[in-house]
Amino acid sequence: AQSVAQPEDQVNVAEGNPLTVKCTYSVSGNPYLFWYVQYPNRGLQFLLKYITGDNLVKGSYGFEAEFNKSQTSFHLKKPSALVSDSALYFCAVRDNAAGNKLTFGGGTRVLVKP
Amino acid sequence: EAGVAQSPRYKIIEKRQSVAFWCNPISGHATLYWYQQILGQGPKLLIQFQNNGVVDDSQLPKDRFSAERLKGVDSTLKIQPAKLEDSAVYLCASSLDRGSHEQYFGPGTRLTVT
Repeated sequence: AQSVAQPEDQVNVAEGNPLTVKCTYSVSGNPYLFWYVQYPNRGLQFLLKYITGDNLVKGSYGFEAEFNKSQTSFHLKKPSALVSDSALYFCAVRDNAAGNKLTFGGGTRVLVKP
Repeated sequence: EAGVAQSPRYKIIEKRQSVAFWCNPISGHATLYWYQQILGQGPKLLIQFQNNGVVDDSQLPKDRFSAERLKGVDSTLKIQPAKLEDSAVYLCASSLDRGSHEQYFGPGTRLTVT
């Protein structure tokens, strides 16, 4: 069975500082990994994905994530956080053997302070 | 391109009552998903449709939950009778097909069962 862990319930960062949101995963086959962001009273918005290829993937709004197979991690990063990045972030994994089923982590709330 | 539409946005019912949610996916998207997101948790897949057929309903509480997508476009999710623990946001998502990597989410329906 596939699973995702986001060890931090909340991350606080000052505006302009680097932001990292951690994610580790467990899957039997090759993982497809995703990050989504959720703003209040809105649905999830896709940020980026890792399918294959370069371990560093770039996504929307200046976010990037690094796939590390040996550590089974897919941490989300942004070099310089904005107040508008304050939201709920979800990591998700898809096991090709399970069709297109996404398994989500519990989410990490990011608070960027001015 | 119009996004995934859901209605209603909010619903408050008493336990043992019934409720129905509606979803209209992005035009041309063959795959439709219903997720349940309990406060403080990540979304959990309830059911996945490919056109009008069910692909995965392994986590759908079938004694009280039902869903249909009769014409392969719109879908409805019903709960009858509702329990207090059904209080959650119900998210609908769609993707071009089962092999698509990206799912597009609607704004969700927030259900409160009192």
